[in-house]
Amino acid sequence: QVQLQESGPGLVKPSETLSLVCTVSGYSVRRDPSITSSYYWGWVRQPPGKGLEWMGSIHHTGSTYYNPSLRSRLTISLEASEYQYSLKLTSVTAADTAVYYCARDSSNYEIDYWGQGILVTVSS
Amino acid sequence: DVVMTQFPLSLPVTPGQPASISCRSSQSLVHSDGNTYLMWFQQRPGQSPRRLIYKVSNRDSGVPDRFSGSGSGTDFTLKISRVEAEDVGVYHCMQGTHAPGTFGQGTKVEIK
Repeated sequence: QVQLQESGPGLVKPSETLSLVCTVSGYSVRRDPSITSSYYWGWVRQPPGKGLEWMGSIHHTGSTYYNPSLRSRLTISLEASEYQYSLKLTSVTAADTAVYYCARDSSNYEIDYWGQGILVTVSS
Repeated sequence: DVVMTQFPLSLPVTPGQPASISCRSSQSLVHSDGNTYLMWFQQRPGQSPRRLIYKVSNRDSGVPDRFSGSGSGTDFTLKISRVEAEDVGVYHCMQGTHAPGTFGQGTKVEIK
């Protein structure tokens, strides 16, 4: 059973960088599942009282895919541990206050596993 | 980006009665590979989303058969045949055919 867990600070100051790590159990993010399928390790966020926004994802090969609305500020990376990947969002504002979920999807955004989410508040 | 519009945004339901949520996309969701990447997620209060349906009508493992998905092109529907108390929450549709993937606004289902 695949499980994902987000970790990181719950409070970030405006203009600073938001950094989160997703720890995966039950599956290596560097694992190549098969010739016919691929997994992408991504991030989805949900501002308080609002809908979900797909932010971006990373393939086990290291290829990244970003929402154009965030591309200039967002970096998703594979970590040294084969069970972790990370998110960095620069120059944050109050509009970046949200619950951040890490999630796994196959091609075409078919998200099948979600983390429990972590609330990050941007405030001085 | 493809805009996903759900309606209604709020749905009071009576236990044991059916419920239906609609989701409309601003473009056809038929992919060049012939599949239609339309998913439905359930988000119970205080929980992360859980996928119920993928590729329009395929139910995920463990999802009760009272949930069903249908539709084609730009118009899609999630139906609950007989609502139970545990079905309370927000339901989100999501398209994965066009990059980036986009979600609907969410429909809040509550018990009358």
